Amino acid sequence: KNEVEQSPQNLTAQEGEFITINCSYSVGISALHWLQQHPGGGIVSLFMLSSGKKKHGRLIATINIQEKHSSLHITASHPRDSAVYICAGQIQGAQKLVFGQGTRLTINP
Amino acid sequence: GAVVSQHPSRVICKSGTSVKIECRSLDFQATTMFWYRQFPKQSLMLMATSNEGSKATYEQGVEKDKFLINHASLTLSTLTVTSAHPEDSSFYICSAPKDSVFPYNEQFFGPGTRLTVL
Repeated sequence: KNEVEQSPQNLTAQEGEFITINCSYSVGISALHWLQQHPGGGIVSLFMLSSGKKKHGRLIATINIQEKHSSLHITASHPRDSAVYICAGQIQGAQKLVFGQGTRLTINP
Repeated sequence: GAVVSQHPSRVICKSGTSVKIECRSLDFQATTMFWYRQFPKQSLMLMATSNEGSKATYEQGVEKDKFLINHASLTLSTLTVTSAHPEDSSFYICSAPKDSVFPYNEQFFGPGTRLTVL
């Protein structure tokens, strides 16, 4: 069964803190997507990765294939980073995604 | 980045009526589109895969006669919720992978449609 588990479910931090969200996945997942969902519901694709590390601005995503684990880091967090972050596993040989439960991040000023 | 639009963004309808939601890829062609449903405080659940020129593939537990999907062109997929009931009230989102351009399989999401059935 293809599964994606995320932690923590909720995270509250102060502005400027370093944030880490974790994602573990089962076999049969060929790539990991990190998504950001804003309060209005819109979803933005942040990263898609199948190996190594990617960086975009203050966001960093890493993946460890052997351990089937991925992390999303936010450096110098800001209140505008407050959103739900979702990791999603892409099923091997297909394009459809299996979603984690999401992490609700709140950054207080 | 690629743009996917959805219409309408919000719809309120009476129980028993049908509602059509459109998903368009604005600047790329999408042979495949995905339809998701999201209930409050929950993550997205894949409902079906829409394939241009062929029948949609539905996930287990999703009634194909209730959720009609038509992928009539490379830029448009529609989801029709037939005989809607209050339990169908949800946030419906579509996505499309831009598989003709590297990085393949990166997915672009529509802004979502909030359906309320009275």
